[in-house]
This record gives sequence, C-alpha cells and structure tokens, in this order.
Amino acid sequence: DVKVTQSSRYLVKRTGEKVFLECVQDMDHENMFWYRQDPGLGLRLIYFSYDVKMKEKGDIPEGYSVSREKKERFSLILESASTNQTSMYLCASGRALATNEKLFFGSGTQLSVL
Amino acid sequence: AQSVTQPDIHITVSEGASLELRCNYSYGATPYLFWYVQSPGQGLQLLLKYFSGDTLVQGIKGFEAEFKRSQSSFNLRKPSVHWSDAAEYFCAVGPYNQGGKLIFGQGTELSVKP
Repeated sequence: DVKVTQSSRYLVKRTGEKVFLECVQDMDHENMFWYRQDPGLGLRLIYFSYDVKMKEKGDIPEGYSVSREKKERFSLILESASTNQTSMYLCASGRALATNEKLFFGSGTQLSVL
Repeated sequence: AQSVTQPDIHITVSEGASLELRCNYSYGATPYLFWYVQSPGQGLQLLLKYFSGDTLVQGIKGFEAEFKRSQSSFNLRKPSVHWSDAAEYFCAVGPYNQGGKLIFGQGTELSVKP
C-alpha cells in the first residue's frame, strides 16, 4: 500500500524555536508538497518540489523553508516558530508533470506554537 | 486570479437523504477538477476527478460530480448518504503543466444525522 508518512501527529513548540516537520513517501514520486490547513481557509500551498534539491514557493511561503536532499523525503522548516503558525500541516506527493494523477496525502501534523 | 469557492462551510443531512456539495472555480484555462475527502484524523483521499469527456464523473463510495463549464461549477452528489460519509470535503483545481499543484477550496464539513 502506498504511503506518505509524516513523522509527528502532534507537536508542541515554543515561540522562536526552530521546527522541523518531516515527510517521507515510498512511491518514488518526483513531486512533493507542503500544505497548511486552517478552518475556513482550506488547504494553502506553502512550498513544493519537483525534484531532489529543487523547491518552489507556493502561495504562503513566508516564515517557512524546505529541504529535499533525497527523493523520498521533504522537510518543512519553521526557522523561528510563531503563534500564527499554529496549524495542521499536510504533506503530499504525486507523479511528475501529471495533473491527471492524484495526490497522496499524509495524515497531517497538528502543530501548536505557544 | 485562480480560486475555488465552496459556499457551504457546514452541511447537515439525514442518513439516507441525498447530498449535493457545491463548488465554483475561477480559472483561466481548461480546469482539471478534483474532489477530496478528509475523515477525522486522516489525510485527504481522492473521491473523483475530471479532465475531459463526459461531464458526469463517477467516483468511489457512490459519489458523482458534474462539470458545468457555463456555470464554472463542479458539484458533488450522492443519492443516499451513509453515516460514514461524515467528513470534510474539498474541491480542488489543478493546472495542466504543474503536476499536482492544486488550489483547494475552503472545505465543506458534512454531518450526518441518524
């Protein structure tokens, strides 16, 4: 069964901390995505990557960075966490340049920044 | 600007009743349209997708959706709702040449009364 695994289901951090959210997929997908989910706002794209070491900004990249050193792993980094980054973070993967393919989502990481 | 609007934040239906969830999009090119479902504590799962051809598409779990270009709509329907359909539903639109980069609506939360 295909899988996108996010390392933590719940995470509590303090303001100013550096936070790493990890995502691993086992489907050899080229594309990986980080979305943020907030009530009433749906999912908003933070960053995405079409290949190893490649990254592109999504709609709300401010305050975030990403790393993709290996094809199967895509990390989201909050350099200095702030309370307005409290949210559900969803990782997804999909095949390259194939809009007609579905995305596979992880179960999400609920991050609370205190 | 590209956008997806789901006008209903929350809908409650009785078990066995029919369901229609609304989705309107604004997109400059031919849209690739999706409906995803998110059960509590889970990631998103694809229900169905539309790219071309027959404007009525069938999905999993007895769902269907109809693409109406003149109305810029892609409404999701189910003839008889089951209690297990209670979840959050997301409509999304994707560009042709950016595989997997989706724009999501705000989501509609479905509650099912016994």
